[in-house]
Amino acid sequence: GAGVSQSPSNKVTEKGKDVELRCDPISGHTALYWYRQRLGQGLEFLIYFQGNSAPDKSGLPSDRFSAERTGESVSTLTIQRTQQEDSAVYLCASSLMNYEQYFGPGTRLTVT
Amino acid sequence: QKEVEQNSGPLSVPEGAIASLNCTYSDRVSQSFFWYRQYSGKSPELIMSIYSNGDKEDGRFTAQLNKASQYVSLLIRDSQPSDSATYLCAANTGTASKLTFGTGTRLQVTL
Repeated sequence: GAGVSQSPSNKVTEKGKDVELRCDPISGHTALYWYRQRLGQGLEFLIYFQGNSAPDKSGLPSDRFSAERTGESVSTLTIQRTQQEDSAVYLCASSLMNYEQYFGPGTRLTVT
Repeated sequence: QKEVEQNSGPLSVPEGAIASLNCTYSDRVSQSFFWYRQYSGKSPELIMSIYSNGDKEDGRFTAQLNKASQYVSLLIRDSQPSDSATYLCAANTGTASKLTFGTGTRLQVTL
């Protein structure tokens, strides 16, 4: 079956612009996660959605970051007023309940 | 203090040898542990999960968990050049959702 998909695969934006990143989880997966991976570094948790429960936003680095999810499907991560330190690969993962997480290919964001 | 620690490597092993990758975690309530492989420029790929003390084998891969020592390892038998990648250890650290990742160990399998 289809895996997790993300779009765009690459995004170059100017400092101060807003960007929207999209994630389509594996069909039937109830949990969805966003992570950030800066160049040469580990994965940093951003936010988690599980069904209709309130999302766990504990990893969002600032109020410029927000995310939404429609039911148990698509999620969008929005970064407002982008800064150069936001440059990273943004990874989305989904899982059935809270078990193994499967990652999408990521969106490489470059802020110039 | 990092919650999941790994030696960054590189760990270099000859083709055909056993590669041993290690990981320690600090949160005693962690219940679930995962190994991901990440090739350069690619996203992490799940290769093993382990939930109980002991060994779990899947093909050339064996995951080992020792909760008393807060230690997880991954053994790769008959290492191949295609195994050259960064291996990420992850733990479910208490909350039901979030995985905490180590920074990864880079494995190089030499001919």
